Amino acid sequence: KQEVTQIPAALSVPEGENLVLNCSFTDSAIYNLQWFRQDPGKGLTSLLLIQSSQREQTSGRLNASLDKSSGRSTLYIAASQPGDSATYLCAGGSRGGYQKVTFGIGTKLQVIP
Amino acid sequence: DAEITQSPRHKITETGRQVTLACHQTWNHNNMFWYRQDLGHGLRLIHYSYGVHDTNKGEVSDGYSVSRSNTEDLPLTLESAASSQTSVYFCASSESLGQGGDEQYFGPGTRLTVT
Repeated sequence: KQEVTQIPAALSVPEGENLVLNCSFTDSAIYNLQWFRQDPGKGLTSLLLIQSSQREQTSGRLNASLDKSSGRSTLYIAASQPGDSATYLCAGGSRGGYQKVTFGIGTKLQVIP
Repeated sequence: DAEITQSPRHKITETGRQVTLACHQTWNHNNMFWYRQDLGHGLRLIHYSYGVHDTNKGEVSDGYSVSRSNTEDLPLTLESAASSQTSVYFCASSESLGQGGDEQYFGPGTRLTVT
C-alpha cells in the first residue's frame, strides 16, 4: 500500500527566499505525482502533475521533481511571496484497476513579508 | 470556464438523518471521486465512478453511497449520519488520458457537522 509522507508539517520563511517542500512515498511503481495547493476553507488547486516517465515539471516559479528510485518528490518555490502562503499537498498515484491516489497530510507554508 | 461545484457548502445535521451532498462538474470528465478530509489524515477516498451507472467503493465507504445517472453529477448520500462523519467532503473529477494522465480537479468542499 502506497504511503505518502510530507515533512515538515509547517514551514515559515521570509519573503523572497527560495524554498523546497518534500514528499516521500513508499511504492516506487508510482504512476504519477501531483502537487496541490490548498488555501484555508478552500478546495485543492492542482499545481503540477509529474508522470512516472518524467523527472520534473515547471510552471512559473514552481518546479517539481520526481525520483522514483529514492521515493522522493520535491516542490521548489523560487522567490517566495506572501501570496504563496497555503498548505501544499502531494498525492501519489498507483495503478491497480483504477488510478489509486494516496495523499500526504501536507506542509503548511507561511511566507512572512 | 469548466468547474466543479458542490452544495451545500456548509451543513449541520442530526445523528440518524439522511444527508445528500451534491457535486456537479462541467469538465465532461469520465471519472468522479468523493474524498473526506480530517485533521491528521490525508484525503481519503470514499467512492468513485468511471462513468454513467458505474460506482465503486473506496477506502472509507461504510455509511456512504453514490449513484451516477449522468456524466455531470455524483451525489454522495449518508444513509444515517453519525458523528464520526463530521468532516470536510471534497468532490473531484479527472479525465482518463491514458499513460500518466489523470490530473484531478477539485471542488470547493462541503463542511458537514453531525450533532
